[in-house]
Amino acid sequence: SQKIEQNSEALNIQEGKTATLTCNYTNYSPAYLQWYRQDPGRGPVFLLLIRENEKEKRKERLKVTFDTTLKQSLFHITASQPADSATYLCALPPSWGKLQFGAGTQVVVTP
Amino acid sequence: NAGVTQTPKFQVLKTGQSMTLQCAQDMNHNSMYWYRQDPGMGLRLIYYSASEGTTDKGEVPNGYNVSRLNKREFSLRLESAAPSQTSVYFCASRDTGGPSTYEQYFGPGTRLTVT
Repeated sequence: SQKIEQNSEALNIQEGKTATLTCNYTNYSPAYLQWYRQDPGRGPVFLLLIRENEKEKRKERLKVTFDTTLKQSLFHITASQPADSATYLCALPPSWGKLQFGAGTQVVVTP
Repeated sequence: NAGVTQTPKFQVLKTGQSMTLQCAQDMNHNSMYWYRQDPGMGLRLIYYSASEGTTDKGEVPNGYNVSRLNKREFSLRLESAAPSQTSVYFCASRDTGGPSTYEQYFGPGTRLTVT
């Protein structure tokens, strides 16, 4: 069956450092991969999409890589700030029009 | 633009009661989705609607029904609530035309407790 794995342990990081999150998947041949941010008590918010033919994508302090050979995506937050504290979800399309989400990794940035 | 709205925000039901969760979007999106989110399990797709008049089952459809009332509205019905349906429910929508055709826009969620 299709599976998405994200580190379930919270990532505690000091302000200013780079946070790196991992998303591993099995039994997918995804055309793209998405990352979302979710704050407590709120719905997820789309951050970035990376396509299968793209190795890297950047948006402000965020960087995503996509390695279809390793079946892995890395999500980096550079110069992290306390406002970056949230849960970050990886999502892949199991079939057209749908998304399957990982359980997410919580990031806690301390001043 | 309100985006995706959901009502109610919170609900407590007794086992066996029924209720309908409402969702509306004002972005003229074709596709709409219902997810549930449980601790440690991430979001799981219950039902989705690719366009007005069509619905399809997701990963966990048992115990739920949906109605795509029109392009704006997509409701989720629990006919006979069970404690296993205690969860946070999210509605989402997606534009299937234009440059941003893959991202989903989520509502604020409905927190449902079944006792």
